[in-house]
Amino acid sequence: GAGVSQSPSNKVTEKGKDVELRCDPISGHTALYWYRQRLGQGLEFLIYFQGNSAPDKSGLPSDRFSAERTGESVSTLTIQRTQQEDSAVYLCASSLDAGGRDEQFFGPGTRLTVL
Amino acid sequence: GDSVTQMEGPVTLSEEAFLTINCTYTATGYPSLFWYVQYPGEGLQLLLKATKADDKGSNKGFEATYRKETTSFHLEKGSVQVSDSAVYFCALLNQAGTALIFGKGTTLSVSS
Repeated sequence: GAGVSQSPSNKVTEKGKDVELRCDPISGHTALYWYRQRLGQGLEFLIYFQGNSAPDKSGLPSDRFSAERTGESVSTLTIQRTQQEDSAVYLCASSLDAGGRDEQFFGPGTRLTVL
Repeated sequence: GDSVTQMEGPVTLSEEAFLTINCTYTATGYPSLFWYVQYPGEGLQLLLKATKADDKGSNKGFEATYRKETTSFHLEKGSVQVSDSAVYFCALLNQAGTALIFGKGTTLSVSS
């Protein structure tokens, strides 16, 4: 596709359940980023991929959060045993290369609601 | 750690008014600075950027100048339009180049 796509667009889950969020970056983009935006807050960085390795995971808030990427393609963010404070919009971005030399293009986000 | 502070909103203006949205940052060294915009119902998109001190980023009539003395990157537009109504985010790139650090966003509402 022409842009970054994310699925699902909305996800409602019960506290304690696991969820998987998917990101399809722009074809050819080697760098991929996950951010989240909680209500009334700015975007918080979660994790950065270069290819299928993640040299910066410093933003993952707890060990309940994990992410993987297949080659230079799809990435999945998994949240285990969801908590109400995990409710947020999760945004994925990709860029042609890393190091800030290239613009990050953002997807539309997945709105996660934990009841 | 790195951080970005931008003025709280909402900012409400009449069409053709002058706009300033203040943004200051705290960071190691001299990071690249960005303004992102999110129009209603749309995804986040880059508005403008500046990569070194005294650089001026500009796009769609918006401008921001990288001021290292005041660690600021204020967004300005001389004459706003209704179509500029959106949420504006100031951001910096961390020193490792692996993450954008965002402010909380400022909502701009322009009426005709």
